[in-house]
Amino acid sequence: DAGVTQSPTHLIKTRGQQVTLRCSPKSGHDTVSWYQQALGQGPQFIFQYYEEEERQRGNFPDRFSGHQFPNYSSELNVNALLLGDSALYLCASSGLAAYEQYFGPGTRLTVT
Amino acid sequence: GQSLEQPSEVTAVEGAIVQINCTYQTSGFYGLSWYQQHDGGAPTFLSYNALDGLEETGRFSSFLSRSDSYGYLLLQELQMKDSASYFCAVWGLSSGSARQLTFGSGTQLTVLP
Repeated sequence: DAGVTQSPTHLIKTRGQQVTLRCSPKSGHDTVSWYQQALGQGPQFIFQYYEEEERQRGNFPDRFSGHQFPNYSSELNVNALLLGDSALYLCASSGLAAYEQYFGPGTRLTVT
Repeated sequence: GQSLEQPSEVTAVEGAIVQINCTYQTSGFYGLSWYQQHDGGAPTFLSYNALDGLEETGRFSSFLSRSDSYGYLLLQELQMKDSASYFCAVWGLSSGSARQLTFGSGTQLTVLP
């Protein structure tokens, strides 16, 4: 049973560029959440997707957007990258027990 | 909004018992979760408490007091592999109508031989 997978593993971008991160949820899960984790901090909730709709959003600007596909996989897009966007981006999926989230290994984004 | 407080660092020796406390402030609380994260790894789910009391899962136990807005994670018979960051996370309403996980800043546990 495959767990949550994310791609790419690492990414280096220049300030002002745009980036797309991808996530495939654990088999049987229909809800995908995205988090940003700065070094030494806890994951910060960006948004959650369910039935291809953004169901909940955290305190992140509109530069952060997402999408969920019919197969439940998801993308996170960040436009106009800032140096402060450098972080580990985590995707988590959940099923009926929505509080029990399964995290992927993350994408390490570095903005220079 | 929601805020959580937990100690930044805890150190203990192998075989000992350690307790990691978490206090929270929230307007829409449903439960308290605990996650473990090793360096360079993904957070992994440890436990969830929706009701007051103690939940035990092997060497790990988690406690919740809703009236005190307080919980703790208890790790017994510590092993070197338990060295990791531990996060408490509130499952609840922050804004909007859907529940979300709000994490604390994490407690770095170091287990010494």
